[in-house]
Amino acid sequence: DTAVSQTPKYLVTQMGNDKSIKCEQNLGHDTMYWYKQDSKKFLKIMFSYNNKELIINETVPNRFSPKSPDKAHLNLHINSLELGDSAVYFCASSQGHLPDTEAFFGQGTRLTVV
Amino acid sequence: KQEVTQIPAALSVPEGENLVLNCSFTDSAIYNLQWFRQDPGKGLTSLLLIQSSQREQTSGRLNASLDKSSGRSTLYIAASQPGDSATYLCAVYDYKLSFGAGTTVTVRA
Repeated sequence: DTAVSQTPKYLVTQMGNDKSIKCEQNLGHDTMYWYKQDSKKFLKIMFSYNNKELIINETVPNRFSPKSPDKAHLNLHINSLELGDSAVYFCASSQGHLPDTEAFFGQGTRLTVV
Repeated sequence: KQEVTQIPAALSVPEGENLVLNCSFTDSAIYNLQWFRQDPGKGLTSLLLIQSSQREQTSGRLNASLDKSSGRSTLYIAASQPGDSATYLCAVYDYKLSFGAGTTVTVRA
Protein backbone atom coordinates (compact mmCIF):
# COMPACT_ATOMS: atom_id res chain seq x y z
CA ASP A 1 0.00 0.00 0.00
CA THR A 2 1.90 3.01 -1.30
CA ALA A 3 2.11 5.92 1.14
CA VAL A 4 3.07 8.66 -1.34
CA SER A 5 2.37 7.97 -4.98
CA GLN A 6 3.26 10.03 -8.02
CA THR A 7 2.15 9.74 -11.61
CA PRO A 8 3.56 9.45 -14.14
CA LYS A 9 6.89 7.83 -13.28
CA TYR A 10 8.44 8.92 -16.56
CA LEU A 11 7.53 11.90 -18.72
CA VAL A 12 9.16 12.81 -22.03
CA THR A 13 7.91 15.92 -23.73
CA GLN A 14 8.92 18.66 -26.14
CA MET A 15 9.99 22.17 -25.26
CA GLY A 16 7.10 24.57 -24.97
CA ASN A 17 4.56 21.97 -23.89
CA ASP A 18 2.52 22.11 -20.67
CA LYS A 19 2.50 19.06 -18.40
CA SER A 20 1.24 18.00 -14.99
CA ILE A 21 2.53 15.60 -12.35
CA LYS A 22 0.12 14.24 -9.77
CA CYS A 23 0.83 13.31 -6.17
CA GLU A 24 -1.35 11.66 -3.56
CA GLN A 25 -0.60 10.59 0.01
CA ASN A 26 -2.70 8.24 2.14
CA LEU A 27 -0.91 8.92 5.43
CA GLY A 28 -3.31 11.58 6.69
CA HIS A 29 -0.50 14.15 6.70
CA ASP A 30 -1.29 17.84 6.56
CA THR A 31 1.88 19.01 4.79
CA MET A 32 3.05 18.14 1.28
CA TYR A 33 6.12 19.16 -0.68
CA TRP A 34 7.62 19.17 -4.13
CA TYR A 35 11.37 18.69 -4.50
CA LYS A 36 13.54 18.83 -7.61
CA GLN A 37 16.60 16.60 -7.97
CA ASP A 38 18.96 17.90 -10.61
CA SER A 39 21.57 16.07 -12.67
CA LYS A 40 24.06 16.37 -9.81
CA LYS A 41 21.55 14.53 -7.59
CA PHE A 42 21.04 17.53 -5.32
CA LEU A 43 17.55 17.74 -3.83
CA LYS A 44 16.06 21.20 -3.52
CA ILE A 45 12.65 22.17 -2.20
CA MET A 46 10.29 23.91 -4.59
CA PHE A 47 6.98 24.21 -2.74
CA SER A 48 5.35 23.28 0.52
CA TYR A 49 1.63 23.20 1.26
CA ASN A 50 0.02 22.90 4.68
CA ASN A 51 -3.69 22.09 4.72
CA LYS A 52 -4.03 23.19 1.10
CA GLU A 53 -2.28 26.52 1.71
CA LEU A 54 1.03 27.48 0.13
CA ILE A 55 3.64 28.07 2.84
CA ILE A 56 6.93 27.76 0.95
CA ASN A 57 7.76 28.94 -2.56
CA GLU A 58 11.49 28.78 -3.08
CA THR A 59 12.01 31.24 -5.95
CA VAL A 60 10.63 28.81 -8.47
CA PRO A 61 9.75 30.28 -11.91
CA ASN A 62 6.06 31.07 -12.15
CA ARG A 63 5.82 28.57 -15.01
CA PHE A 64 5.53 26.08 -12.15
CA SER A 65 2.16 26.16 -10.44
CA PRO A 66 1.27 23.76 -7.64
CA LYS A 67 -2.34 22.98 -6.93
CA SER A 68 -3.73 21.32 -3.83
CA PRO A 69 -7.40 20.33 -4.21
CA ASP A 70 -7.34 18.76 -0.75
CA LYS A 71 -4.68 17.99 1.82
CA ALA A 72 -4.09 14.51 0.40
CA HIS A 73 -3.18 15.78 -3.07
CA LEU A 74 -0.55 18.16 -4.39
CA ASN A 75 -0.22 18.38 -8.15
CA LEU A 76 2.47 20.21 -10.08
CA HIS A 77 1.67 21.91 -13.36
CA ILE A 78 4.47 23.20 -15.57
CA ASN A 79 3.86 25.61 -18.44
CA SER A 80 6.10 26.24 -21.43
CA LEU A 81 8.59 23.52 -20.56
CA GLU A 82 12.28 24.30 -21.05
CA LEU A 83 15.30 22.02 -21.46
CA GLY A 84 16.51 23.05 -17.99
CA ASP A 85 13.36 21.65 -16.43
CA SER A 86 14.65 18.13 -17.08
CA ALA A 87 15.11 16.56 -13.66
CA VAL A 88 13.53 14.12 -11.25
CA TYR A 89 10.65 15.62 -9.27
CA PHE A 90 9.79 14.16 -5.90
CA CYS A 91 6.64 14.63 -3.90
CA ALA A 92 6.77 14.20 -0.12
CA SER A 93 4.51 14.53 2.89
CA SER A 94 4.86 14.97 6.64
CA GLN A 95 2.71 15.82 9.62
CA GLY A 96 3.16 19.48 10.43
CA HIS A 97 6.05 21.08 12.25
CA LEU A 98 6.63 18.54 14.99
CA PRO A 99 9.96 17.22 16.32
CA ASP A 100 9.03 13.65 15.48
CA THR A 101 7.62 14.43 12.05
CA GLU A 102 9.02 12.03 9.49
CA ALA A 103 8.91 12.87 5.81
CA PHE A 104 7.89 10.23 3.30
CA PHE A 105 8.78 10.50 -0.36
CA GLY A 106 7.22 9.26 -3.56
CA GLN A 107 9.19 7.29 -6.13
CA GLY A 108 9.82 10.35 -8.27
CA THR A 109 8.87 11.49 -11.75
CA ARG A 110 11.69 11.64 -14.26
CA LEU A 111 10.93 14.53 -16.60
CA THR A 112 12.87 14.78 -19.85
CA VAL A 113 12.36 17.82 -22.05
CA VAL A 114 13.61 17.42 -25.62
CA LYS B 1 19.90 29.99 5.18
CA GLN B 2 20.44 26.36 6.19
CA GLU B 3 23.32 24.62 4.45
CA VAL B 4 23.93 20.89 4.78
CA THR B 5 27.24 19.29 3.89
CA GLN B 6 28.03 15.59 3.63
CA ILE B 7 31.52 14.16 3.70
CA PRO B 8 32.84 12.13 1.99
CA ALA B 9 31.05 12.44 -1.35
CA ALA B 10 31.87 8.81 -2.15
CA LEU B 11 33.11 5.82 -0.22
CA SER B 12 34.16 2.33 -1.30
CA VAL B 13 34.78 -0.38 1.28
CA PRO B 14 35.14 -4.17 1.35
CA GLU B 15 32.27 -6.18 2.71
CA GLY B 16 32.25 -6.45 6.49
CA GLU B 17 33.86 -3.10 7.15
CA ASN B 18 32.03 -0.50 9.22
CA LEU B 19 30.84 2.66 7.47
CA VAL B 20 30.98 6.18 8.89
CA LEU B 21 29.08 8.91 7.07
CA ASN B 22 29.25 12.52 8.19
CA CYS B 23 26.74 15.34 7.94
CA SER B 24 27.07 18.94 9.10
CA PHE B 25 24.58 21.79 9.10
CA THR B 26 24.92 25.52 9.67
CA ASP B 27 21.77 26.45 11.62
CA SER B 28 21.18 24.45 14.80
CA ALA B 29 17.53 25.60 15.15
CA ILE B 30 16.11 22.36 13.77
CA TYR B 31 13.19 20.15 14.71
CA ASN B 32 14.92 16.96 13.66
CA LEU B 33 17.40 15.31 11.31
CA GLN B 34 16.59 12.47 8.98
CA TRP B 35 18.84 10.02 7.15
CA PHE B 36 17.61 8.62 3.85
CA ARG B 37 18.81 6.01 1.42
CA GLN B 38 18.42 6.41 -2.33
CA ASP B 39 19.06 3.58 -4.78
CA PRO B 40 19.82 4.47 -8.42
CA GLY B 41 16.70 5.56 -10.24
CA LYS B 42 14.57 5.13 -7.13
CA GLY B 43 12.92 7.26 -4.52
CA LEU B 44 14.08 8.05 -0.99
CA THR B 45 13.69 5.58 1.84
CA SER B 46 13.75 6.96 5.35
CA LEU B 47 16.31 5.17 7.54
CA LEU B 48 16.39 7.04 10.82
CA LEU B 49 14.90 10.16 12.34
CA ILE B 50 16.56 11.89 15.29
CA GLN B 51 14.55 14.51 17.11
CA SER B 52 16.38 17.67 18.14
CA SER B 53 16.23 16.62 21.81
CA GLN B 54 17.79 13.23 21.13
CA ARG B 55 21.45 12.27 20.87
CA GLU B 56 21.13 9.08 18.84
CA GLN B 57 18.84 6.58 17.20
CA THR B 58 19.44 2.95 16.32
CA SER B 59 17.82 0.58 13.88
CA GLY B 60 19.44 -2.80 13.34
CA ARG B 61 22.96 -2.25 12.00
CA LEU B 62 22.36 1.49 11.68
CA ASN B 63 23.16 4.03 14.35
CA ALA B 64 22.88 7.78 13.93
CA SER B 65 24.14 10.39 16.35
CA LEU B 66 23.23 14.05 16.59
CA ASP B 67 25.19 16.90 18.17
CA LYS B 68 22.87 19.81 17.56
CA SER B 69 25.07 22.43 19.22
CA SER B 70 27.96 21.71 16.88
CA GLY B 71 25.73 21.07 13.88
CA ARG B 72 26.83 17.51 13.24
CA SER B 73 25.38 14.07 12.70
CA THR B 74 27.07 10.77 11.94
CA LEU B 75 25.55 7.65 10.46
CA TYR B 76 27.29 4.40 11.36
CA ILE B 77 26.55 1.22 9.43
CA ALA B 78 28.02 -1.86 11.06
CA ALA B 79 29.34 -4.87 9.16
CA SER B 80 28.57 -3.50 5.71
CA GLN B 81 27.05 -5.71 3.02
CA PRO B 82 26.88 -5.31 -0.77
CA GLY B 83 23.18 -4.54 -0.38
CA ASP B 84 24.15 -1.39 1.54
CA SER B 85 25.48 0.11 -1.70
CA ALA B 86 23.43 3.26 -2.30
CA THR B 87 23.50 7.01 -1.84
CA TYR B 88 22.86 8.16 1.71
CA LEU B 89 21.28 11.56 2.22
CA CYS B 90 21.14 13.65 5.35
CA ALA B 91 18.33 16.19 5.75
CA VAL B 92 17.55 18.67 8.51
CA TYR B 93 14.03 19.86 9.20
CA ASP B 94 13.23 23.38 10.38
CA TYR B 95 10.20 24.50 8.40
CA LYS B 96 11.35 22.42 5.42
CA LEU B 97 13.77 19.57 4.74
CA SER B 98 17.17 20.80 3.58
CA PHE B 99 19.35 18.11 2.05
CA GLY B 100 23.02 17.47 1.74
CA ALA B 101 24.44 16.31 -1.59
CA GLY B 102 24.76 12.76 -0.33
CA THR B 103 27.46 10.13 0.14
CA THR B 104 27.56 7.39 -2.48
CA VAL B 105 28.58 4.12 -0.87
CA THR B 106 29.92 1.06 -2.67
CA VAL B 107 30.42 -2.12 -0.69
CA ARG B 108 32.63 -4.59 -2.54
CA ALA B 109 31.91 -8.31 -2.18
